[in-house]
Amino acid sequence: KNQVEQSPQSLIILEGKNCTLQCNYTVSPFSNLRWYKQDTGRGPVSLTIMTFSENTKSNGRYTATLDADTKQSSLHITASQLSDSASYICVVTQRGSTLGRLYFGRGTQLTVWP
Amino acid sequence: DAMVIQNPRYQVTQFGKPVTLSCSQTLNHNVMYWYQQKSSQAPKLLFHYYDKDFNNEADTPDNFQSRRPNTSFCFLDIRSPGLGDAAMYLCATSITGGRNEKLFFGSGTQLSVL
Repeated sequence: KNQVEQSPQSLIILEGKNCTLQCNYTVSPFSNLRWYKQDTGRGPVSLTIMTFSENTKSNGRYTATLDADTKQSSLHITASQLSDSASYICVVTQRGSTLGRLYFGRGTQLTVWP
Repeated sequence: DAMVIQNPRYQVTQFGKPVTLSCSQTLNHNVMYWYQQKSSQAPKLLFHYYDKDFNNEADTPDNFQSRRPNTSFCFLDIRSPGLGDAAMYLCATSITGGRNEKLFFGSGTQLSVL
């Protein structure tokens, strides 16, 4: 069964600290993996995309990693800011369909406290 | 400079009273999607349009219908809302639905059913 599991479900950190969010998937065949940030009451916004051959990719304070062998990805946030408080959703695209089939995780709710 | 616009942001309806949610885009994307997202859950794809071609998900209830009168607009009609239909409804677009394309989401419409 194609699934995307994220951990932890929620996380609270202090401003300025680093954190790492995890995403494990069983989607096959794999095409790519995206991390989205969803602010409360808003639609998700893409942060980064990881394809099969990519191990790590950075977007400012966000660094995503991908291990396609173990089917795991992580999103590392450096020097967290209050504005990082949001839900972070891992989305895996399945290869093989004309319109890429997407599998969403439930997200990790991150709260950054001052 | 909103590119995917959903109206209204909040919608309250009565049990069984038809309701229509709207989505418009300024991106001229070919594909438009409707997702249902319940609290702390992953977004669930209801259906999508590739141009005028309508694609329904197998498990989308008949109670949910959609219309796309032109490239820019797409509507979600709920014919007889039940209490279980209370959720955030997200509209999204992509250029052609290609596997590596990201989705552009609107801010969502939060639907309450009384």
